Amino acid sequence: DARVTQTPRHKVTEMGQEVTMRCQPILGHNTVFWYRQTMMQGLELLAYFRNRAPLDDSGMPKDRFSAEMPDATLATLKIQPSEPRDSAVYFCASGLVLGLAGGNEQFFGPGTRLTVL
Amino acid sequence: QKEVEQNSGPLSVPEGAIASLNCTYSDRGSQSFFWYRQYSGKSPELIMSIYSNGDKEDGRFTAQLNKASQYVSLLIRDSQPSDSATYLCAAPPGRRALTFGSGTRLQVQP
Repeated sequence: DARVTQTPRHKVTEMGQEVTMRCQPILGHNTVFWYRQTMMQGLELLAYFRNRAPLDDSGMPKDRFSAEMPDATLATLKIQPSEPRDSAVYFCASGLVLGLAGGNEQFFGPGTRLTVL
Repeated sequence: QKEVEQNSGPLSVPEGAIASLNCTYSDRGSQSFFWYRQYSGKSPELIMSIYSNGDKEDGRFTAQLNKASQYVSLLIRDSQPSDSATYLCAAPPGRRALTFGSGTRLQVQP
């Protein structure tokens, strides 16, 4: 059945290391979202793409985070260098938006649990 | 003011009762609203979407939308222990991507 997949599911790394998270959206979906979830901040939008073009990355720390969609089947979120405060669960979600307005249904992947020591 | 606000709970109801979860939003331009359920350690799962004023029913779930009051609610009838989870309300402010509330933790007591 169609679902969003994410790799890796868990990542433990040391401060200063590069972390790359990958997401495969549901086939046919044209919008991809990256979220970060922590107990303190809840679910925060980091970036999103429509038809592979970045529409909004205002939620992302620009100096260390970057998000790309090299093709329609792959989205990546990279942190370089990583810091302990980046420890969180990172979710990718995808959806099909047919009009100009955003906000249609989004379907979440299982998440990547990142721990930065 | 947060764009989407929810009471964090926990909301505790006995098995078989109706659970009522509430959400308010600040942007009158929002046109669509969503309820997600998130079990501990899992990802959010879409359970209801609502686009127009009034009620929308799906099984034991009913979503209610009142755009004049900027209020969305989710009713869960015949609550089961398996409904125990955090329920997230979401809306798109303007044309932006979804903004999520902080979630309401529901506990259904057997």
